[in-house]
Amino acid sequence: DQQVKQNSPSLSVQEGRISILNCDYTNSMFDYFLWYKKYPAEGPTFLISISSIKDKNEDGRFTVFLNKSAKHLSLHIVPSQPGDSAVYFCAASRGEYGNKLVFGAGTILRVKS
Amino acid sequence: DTGVSQDPRHKITKRGQNVTFRCDPISEHNRLYWYRQTLGQGPEFLTYFQNEAQLEKSRLLSDRFSAERPKGSFSTLEIQRTEQGDSAMYLCASSPRQGADEQFFGPGTRLTVL
Repeated sequence: DQQVKQNSPSLSVQEGRISILNCDYTNSMFDYFLWYKKYPAEGPTFLISISSIKDKNEDGRFTVFLNKSAKHLSLHIVPSQPGDSAVYFCAASRGEYGNKLVFGAGTILRVKS
Repeated sequence: DTGVSQDPRHKITKRGQNVTFRCDPISEHNRLYWYRQTLGQGPEFLTYFQNEAQLEKSRLLSDRFSAERPKGSFSTLEIQRTEQGDSAMYLCASSPRQGADEQFFGPGTRLTVL
């Protein structure tokens, strides 16, 4: 039972353009959503998060959008840089359940220079 | 603040052997989590501690797995009688307090069972 899904295994974008990574979830009880970035041989690094009471959160080049009715969130990276090339994981949690994270399978982003 | 550290970074063992991994969380983080990640998948929750109390274990955590956090600081994860299916990256994460959802991950321990 995959509660968090990232349906695009990979994405390739030109440097300077926008990268859009998508994530869908099935459990309407999730109340917090996070994006992590992972380089090979390293642990995931926290990027940005959003509470279910909001529909947008920005941090520099990164913006996360949440559409609760569609159970969909997306991460926008503008402008994309070669150093953004990594695996991006979407994750969700429920505060009353100890905030354990449920992850998607990840999307490999390649930013071409 | 030195971040979450894990030891060892790599472990190769033969099937049937026992292995133990250690995680040192960010100091004063009272929540500590263990996850397992296999190739092509996202991390999967195994167990978590609030201080020294183990509050939840996933059904993924068979009887061969045990985790401890004896003084509410570092944690150990032991796998007894390892099987080839245990080969994975074992990730540890910590967070500062209840209600803070961001978890900070260590570099992981890569286990290979031959």
